[in-house]
Amino acid sequence: EAAVTQSPRNKVAVTGGKVTLSCNQTNNHNNMYWYRQDTGHGLRLIHYSYGAGSTEKGDIPDGYKASRPSQENFSLILELATPSQTSVYFCASGDAGTDNNQAPLFGEGTRLSVL
Amino acid sequence: AQKVTQTQTSISVMEKTTVTMDCVYETQDSSYFLFWYKQTASGEIVFLIRQDSYKKENATVGHYSLNFQKPKSSIGLIITATQIEDSAVYFCAMRPPRTGYQNFYFGKGTSLTVIP
Repeated sequence: EAAVTQSPRNKVAVTGGKVTLSCNQTNNHNNMYWYRQDTGHGLRLIHYSYGAGSTEKGDIPDGYKASRPSQENFSLILELATPSQTSVYFCASGDAGTDNNQAPLFGEGTRLSVL
Repeated sequence: AQKVTQTQTSISVMEKTTVTMDCVYETQDSSYFLFWYKQTASGEIVFLIRQDSYKKENATVGHYSLNFQKPKSSIGLIITATQIEDSAVYFCAMRPPRTGYQNFYFGKGTSLTVIP
């Protein structure tokens, strides 16, 4: 069964601290995405990746880095967390392949609070 | 510029009735791809149905169907025979066809409450 797993599910961080959100997919999808969801803004793309070793900036990349060390894993890194990064973060995976319109599958989300 | 707008913030319907949720989009691309997702109370986001802009026939999956009106840049989601478990937030999304750019543009969602 296709799956996207995020860890941790909940995180409380201090301002200025480093936070790493992890995502693992067992779908063998090429593309992976990190979104944040905020009231009034919907889902906004932070970073995405086409495959191992690649990362691309989305619409709101400032303050975030991404890492794709393997096909299965995609991490979102907040080097210096700020309260404005308090949000719910979603990872997703999708497949370009022969049908590059395939809808991404989402993980369960990570609720991050930066105090 | 790409943009997806859902004007209905919330809708309430009686169980077993039909509901339509609106979505309009802006794009300069002649072909594109449209999606609807459902987000449950637990936060889970589930893909429901997709429409490719070059297809004239409306997509249907189970009790979900689409009302695609390309001249109006509109993609409505229709849920027939609504059930309590259909209560959720519904998102419309669009993806332009450009190779090498994989962003999906999401609307802000419509909250649906199904009343028993």
